[in-house]
Amino acid sequence: AQSVSQHNHHVILSEAASLELGCNYSYGGTVNLFWYVQYPGQHLQLLLKYFSGDPLVKGIKGFEAEFIKSKFSFNLRKPSVQWSDTAEYFCAVTRKSGGGADGLTFGKGTHLIIQP
Amino acid sequence: EAGVTQFPSHSVIEKGQTVTLRCDPISGHDNLYWYRRVMGKEIKFLLHFVKESKQDESGMPNNRFLAERTGGTYSTLKVQPAELEDSGVYFCASSQIGTGYYEQYFGPGTRLTVT
Repeated sequence: AQSVSQHNHHVILSEAASLELGCNYSYGGTVNLFWYVQYPGQHLQLLLKYFSGDPLVKGIKGFEAEFIKSKFSFNLRKPSVQWSDTAEYFCAVTRKSGGGADGLTFGKGTHLIIQP
Repeated sequence: EAGVTQFPSHSVIEKGQTVTLRCDPISGHDNLYWYRRVMGKEIKFLLHFVKESKQDESGMPNNRFLAERTGGTYSTLKVQPAELEDSGVYFCASSQIGTGYYEQYFGPGTRLTVT
């Protein structure tokens, strides 16, 4: 079975700071990788995803993530955060062999607080 | 277009009682998923329906949990009898069916508190 580890449970940054949230996964086969975000009072929504091809993927709101296969990592980055990025961020994986409809395996989430 | 809806938004019940959670997926979405987040833990997959069939129920904790999706539209998740450890937020998600990956759209969740 696959598992996901997110390194930081709480991160506090000032506006305009750079962000990197760590995510490592454990699985013997190939995976699809995702970052989801939950803004206060809102639903979980997809931030970005990686299936294949260019390991650097760009998502909504200026976020990007890089898949490093040798490190089993999929870290989320943003060069300059805004107060509106305050949210909880979740890394998730599915088995590639499961097709496109497997249930997601999530990490524990990272609470990101941006101070004005 | 309406998103995934869940009812109720909150439920407080006593240990031993029964609770039924409902999820209405996005219209036309044949995949429906249930997830649960216990406080301080990760969001965990419970089960996956394709239309009215259970495709994967490997995440269901025990036989006190029963999920149904009659007619392939809305789904219910019944907990009977509820235990303290069942407290948490229950999320539902839906996606289209087909080849490749289809984004899972999440509902707002039902917060269940068992006292």
